Amino acid sequence: QQQVKQSPQSLIVQKGGISIINCAYENTAFDYFPWYQQFPGKGPALLIAIRPDVSEKKEGRFTISFNKSAKQFSLHIMDSQPGDSATYFCAASREAAGNKLTFGGGTRVLVKP
Amino acid sequence: DVKVTQSSRYLVKRTGEKVFLECVQDMDHENMFWYRQDPGLGLRLIYFSYDVKMKEKGDIPEGYSVSREKKERFSLILESASTNQTSMYLCASRSGTHLEQYFGPGTRLTVT
Repeated sequence: QQQVKQSPQSLIVQKGGISIINCAYENTAFDYFPWYQQFPGKGPALLIAIRPDVSEKKEGRFTISFNKSAKQFSLHIMDSQPGDSATYFCAASREAAGNKLTFGGGTRVLVKP
Repeated sequence: DVKVTQSSRYLVKRTGEKVFLECVQDMDHENMFWYRQDPGLGLRLIYFSYDVKMKEKGDIPEGYSVSREKKERFSLILESASTNQTSMYLCASRSGTHLEQYFGPGTRLTVT
């Protein structure tokens, strides 16, 4: 049973376009929602994270939108660049349970020049 | 800069062999994690440790064990490797006060 479902599995976008990745979770006790970025041959690295008390968080070209009632959150990559080509993972955790992360299945993003 | 290193980038083992994957972090982090990464399944937690000699099962502990004798080192052990354990294995660490996990580069294990 996958507690965090991520879509799409892959995404191709033109340079300058917007990449949108969606995640849905089941456990309403989750209280921390990070996104990790992974380049080939590297381990994932934290990109941006949000808590459920805010509906949106922006860092540069990356924005998380959070909808608590729908139990969904999404990553938007504005003005996508070839250097953004990577695999992106959403995740969720519960602080009371030691913040063990439950990851989505991942989205491979390819930005075409 | 936090550095998490894993002993091997690539490993090929035979079915039934005992396999040791080593992970070392240099930031004095209390928490360490082992995940396996498979296409379409994301990262799944095998075991984690919140202190020396302490361990807890993650979501998929069957067929694995771990050891943490020193704070900086966390080992994953496959007692008798099987072909369904062919995967990418990622180690991560985290301090007790911050939520960000720092990952190593991974070990791609092939069991034949």
